[in-house]
Amino acid sequence: EDQVTQSPEALRLQEGESSSLNCSYTVSGLRGLFWYRQDPGKGPEFLFTLYSAGEEKEKERLKATLTKKESFLHITAPKPEDSATYLCAVISSGSARQLTFGSGTQLTVLP
Amino acid sequence: DTGVSQDPRHKITKRGQNVTFRCDPISEHNRLYWYRQTLGQGPEFLTYFQNEAQLEKSRLLSDRFSAERPKGSFSTLEIQRTEQGDSAMYLCASSRDNSWGNEQFFGPGTRLTVL
Repeated sequence: EDQVTQSPEALRLQEGESSSLNCSYTVSGLRGLFWYRQDPGKGPEFLFTLYSAGEEKEKERLKATLTKKESFLHITAPKPEDSATYLCAVISSGSARQLTFGSGTQLTVLP
Repeated sequence: DTGVSQDPRHKITKRGQNVTFRCDPISEHNRLYWYRQTLGQGPEFLTYFQNEAQLEKSRLLSDRFSAERPKGSFSTLEIQRTEQGDSAMYLCASSRDNSWGNEQFFGPGTRLTVL
């Protein structure tokens, strides 16, 4: 059974204070690792897909990286509008097409 | 706006009543998924359609839950004899039919409260 664990559960940063969120996974044949952003009361918003170890993707202040056991979401010089819950999910060869999600990291960026 | 849409956005019902939710996927996407999310947790997979065929169902999907996608376009999720434990956000997502790792795009969700 696929498992995804995210840490920390919650993170408070000052504006401009860079940090990283962790997503560790156990799957039978990774097909893709996905990062989503979710604002309160809304559906998840797609950010990145990573397919193989060593791959990196960037978007504005966010950078996602992937190893064989975990992924990191690096946030550089965050702004208050980056406050949200960040969700990590995987698709594996054993899970048909469904995403298996972690519980998320709730990020708060203080002005 | 060509994103995934869901209706209603909020539903309050009494225990024992039946409810039905609708999802309209992105028009060129032929895969459609239903997930359920409770407070503080990530979404959990319920079921998946490719066109009109329901190809996968989670063990979370009890006999009280049924989903359809009659013409391969919109989908409905019905919950019969609702229970308080059914209170959650019900999310719909869609994706293209190209490869394993296709990105799934989510709708805004339907928040169900069972009293």
